[in-house]
Amino acid sequence: EAQVTQNPRYLITVTGKKLTVTCSQNMNHEYMSWYRQDPGLGLRQIYYSMNVEVTDKGDVPEGYKVSRKEKRNFPLILESPSPNQTSLYFCASRAHGGTGELFFGEGSRLTVL
Amino acid sequence: GNSVTQMEGPVTLSEEAFLTINCTYTATGYPSLFWYVQYPGEGLQLLLKATKADDKGSNKGFEATYRKETTSFHLEKGSVQVSDSAVYFCALIQGAQKLVFGQGTRLTINP
Repeated sequence: EAQVTQNPRYLITVTGKKLTVTCSQNMNHEYMSWYRQDPGLGLRQIYYSMNVEVTDKGDVPEGYKVSRKEKRNFPLILESPSPNQTSLYFCASRAHGGTGELFFGEGSRLTVL
Repeated sequence: GNSVTQMEGPVTLSEEAFLTINCTYTATGYPSLFWYVQYPGEGLQLLLKATKADDKGSNKGFEATYRKETTSFHLEKGSVQVSDSAVYFCALIQGAQKLVFGQGTRLTINP
């Protein structure tokens, strides 16, 4: 089954404790992206990757890091989480070309105390 | 830059009512247009799409027509059900650029 898998789905952590949210896709997609969803603000892009070893900032990259060492994986790293990073995070992927349809993971709800 | 504007929610309707969620966009050229739906506790999934002017996307009884002259892609359904309660996002993409989302419209259908 074609899917984008995120882990963990739910996490409560404390300020300053490094964490990683993993994302893996099994569709051989070149493009992967991270979004955060906040009430009243819709979806905002954090980082994206056009292919292995190619990453770039989205609209709200501050406080986040990413890496793309393998085509299927695109982890999101919060080196020193702060309460304003409490949010619902989505990973997504798509193939280059085509109509641009994005495939989303089920989301990771993060709370930073 | 490219942008998408959706009607503000929340929208509350009774079952079997007619639904319209307005979406307008700003873009140069001819973007592809999408409606995504997010059911409670789930990620976004594609509902329908249109890739060129006058195309009509349809799925699950929902329809939207790509109107270049009014830069719109309004979502419609003739008779909504309780199971249609969700958040709906209009979005566009142009070439290899990122997908740009509207702010989302929360729809609640009462029995």
